[in-house]
Amino acid sequence: DVKVTQSSRYLVKRTGEKVFLECVQDMDHENMFWYRQDPGLGLRLIYFSYDVKMKEKGDIPEGYSVSREKKERFSLILESASTNQTSMYLCASFGGLAAPGFFGEGSRLTVL
Amino acid sequence: ILNVEQSPQSLHVQEGDSTNFTCSFPSSNFYALHWYRWETAKSPEALFVMTLNGDEKKKGRISATLNTKEGYSYLYIKGSQPEDSATYLCAFEGPGNQFYFGTGTSLTVIP
Repeated sequence: DVKVTQSSRYLVKRTGEKVFLECVQDMDHENMFWYRQDPGLGLRLIYFSYDVKMKEKGDIPEGYSVSREKKERFSLILESASTNQTSMYLCASFGGLAAPGFFGEGSRLTVL
Repeated sequence: ILNVEQSPQSLHVQEGDSTNFTCSFPSSNFYALHWYRWETAKSPEALFVMTLNGDEKKKGRISATLNTKEGYSYLYIKGSQPEDSATYLCAFEGPGNQFYFGTGTSLTVIP
């Protein structure tokens, strides 16, 4: 059974803390994505990566960074968490053109 | 940012009713249109990926059609069941593996 695994389902952090969200896929996919989902706004793309050590900004990259040191792992980093980053974060991997995506179960982050 | 619109935003139907929703997307630079089902507390799950104008896909009671010239796709559910309750997302795939998601249609099937 193919899998995308996100490290934490629920996190509570304080303003200013550094936050790491980890995502691991076991399908040998090159393309990995980080989205956030907020009510009424759908899935918005934060960052994506086509290959190891490569990253591209999505639509809302401000306040985030990413790391892709190994093909199977794509990490989202909040350098200094703020309350407006309270959200559901979803990781996805895609196998190529017109191939279905596989999603993790999401990480719900609350920043106090 | 590319605009992908889904309608309606939410829908309540009685068990046994058939229903359909719409995804609208730009008709240029089209590679594929994806449909996903997202149940509460689970991961979004791929339903269909369609690439050709006129494509029709079917999985059980759920089917989808695609019109790339006018930029829309319909998702149909025949004889809705409570287990069909979920948010249905569409995503436009453009050049360079870019994906743009709609805001989803939330379906509630009332027993």
